[in-house]
Amino acid sequence: DTAVSQTPKYLVTQMGNDKSIKCEQNLGHDTMYWYKQDSKKFLKIMFSYNNKELIINETVPNRFSPKSPDKAHLNLHINSLELGDSAVYFCASSQGRVSGANVLTFGAGSRLTVL
Amino acid sequence: EDKVVQSPLSLVVHEGDTVTLNCSYEVTNFRSLLWYKQEKKAPTFLFMLTSSGIEKKSGRLSSILDKKELSSILNITATQTGDSAIYLCLRSGAGSYQLTFGKGTKLSVIP
Repeated sequence: DTAVSQTPKYLVTQMGNDKSIKCEQNLGHDTMYWYKQDSKKFLKIMFSYNNKELIINETVPNRFSPKSPDKAHLNLHINSLELGDSAVYFCASSQGRVSGANVLTFGAGSRLTVL
Repeated sequence: EDKVVQSPLSLVVHEGDTVTLNCSYEVTNFRSLLWYKQEKKAPTFLFMLTSSGIEKKSGRLSSILDKKELSSILNITATQTGDSAIYLCLRSGAGSYQLTFGKGTKLSVIP
């Protein structure tokens, strides 16, 4: 069983389009995250939700909007896609609200290519 | 200034060699340091370190935290081609889920 699953795995789209990436975890974790990994493989946190509540919102363009319908799901919607949005987006989850001592489990990533 | 600095950024070794990867971090609100291995897809968890001086070991891999030096090392002995990957260090802090990755060390093990 896949613990953290993301869809789609690959997404190729034109500039200006709007797209969504979905994430689901079946681990019973309370906290979910979105990370962006650029071409240099640097993983940078974008958002984190704990029990549907936004707790980390790093400096990302407001074209990016996370949505958490329940604690098992965290979706990422991107409006007006730009070339610089091309990257691999990783979803992750961890147990509990106590910060600093939680192992993140990652999804397989969603590779977004903006043409 | 980077909160997590890994070195070297890349490393090429021969099978059988021993490697040491370094990670230094910012002390503010520090709680734990995690090591991950990333091959083609998702980073996979290796170790979580919270206490200084206690070595964590898993097969040929081991890691230790030095809170005085604000650093951690990841050792891999008798390297194999399957160890080729990017090794990522993740600093976890208290408060608002301060989670910062280093830029990774790309390890290439050649036969």
